[in-house]
Amino acid sequence: DADVTQTPRNRITKTGKRIMLECSQTKGHDRMYWYRQDPGLGLRLIYYSFDVKDINKGEISDGYSVSRQAQAKFSLSLESAIPNQTALYFCATSDGPLIYNNEQYFGPGTRLTVT
Amino acid sequence: DQQVKQNSPSLSVQEGRISILNCDYTNSMFDYFLWYKKYPAEGPTFLISISSIKDKNEDGRFTVFLNKSAKHLSLHIVPSQPGDSAVYFCAAVYSGGGADGLTFGKGTHLIIQP
Repeated sequence: DADVTQTPRNRITKTGKRIMLECSQTKGHDRMYWYRQDPGLGLRLIYYSFDVKDINKGEISDGYSVSRQAQAKFSLSLESAIPNQTALYFCATSDGPLIYNNEQYFGPGTRLTVT
Repeated sequence: DQQVKQNSPSLSVQEGRISILNCDYTNSMFDYFLWYKKYPAEGPTFLISISSIKDKNEDGRFTVFLNKSAKHLSLHIVPSQPGDSAVYFCAAVYSGGGADGLTFGKGTHLIIQP
């Protein structure tokens, strides 16, 4: 079984709808992250969480919110989806600060299309 | 303003030869650099990393070189194998103020030709 899972894997939604992307991990890591990737671009950090009580904005948090329901679960919500949020979304985990040689493990991604 | 730049969108190398992927960065506060490999329909997977206090790190066929004065790093793959065909992302970490998370480049699509 995969260590980091994302649901759904693919989603098409309409402008203005609320949508939630879910991430679960079995690695027991405290740190979890949400990134988005646009075609031809690298991944950009949306939000990250050090633990259940500590959530931080990343580079592009506008239009998104997150919820850390448990150590193993980190959800990303689009309150009112817009077409330029069409992207590939990745969840990731790590066991500690990345600066201290802690590896970041990525899920398989969720492809979201907003029409 | 992109802080991590990979200026080659694609690179084609013959099997058995050396692949050299380049990455430049602009933020001198980056402490740690990583390379990730990504296959289609999968998440990125960690390949190799280097701390800003080192200039070289080697792991099997993969070597990463860091030139801090030039704000440049490179990934060498020797010898290149067909399974190395993937998109390679350069990433950097800045931990100032307790921040976390990776800053990625746009990626380089490496194609290994038989």
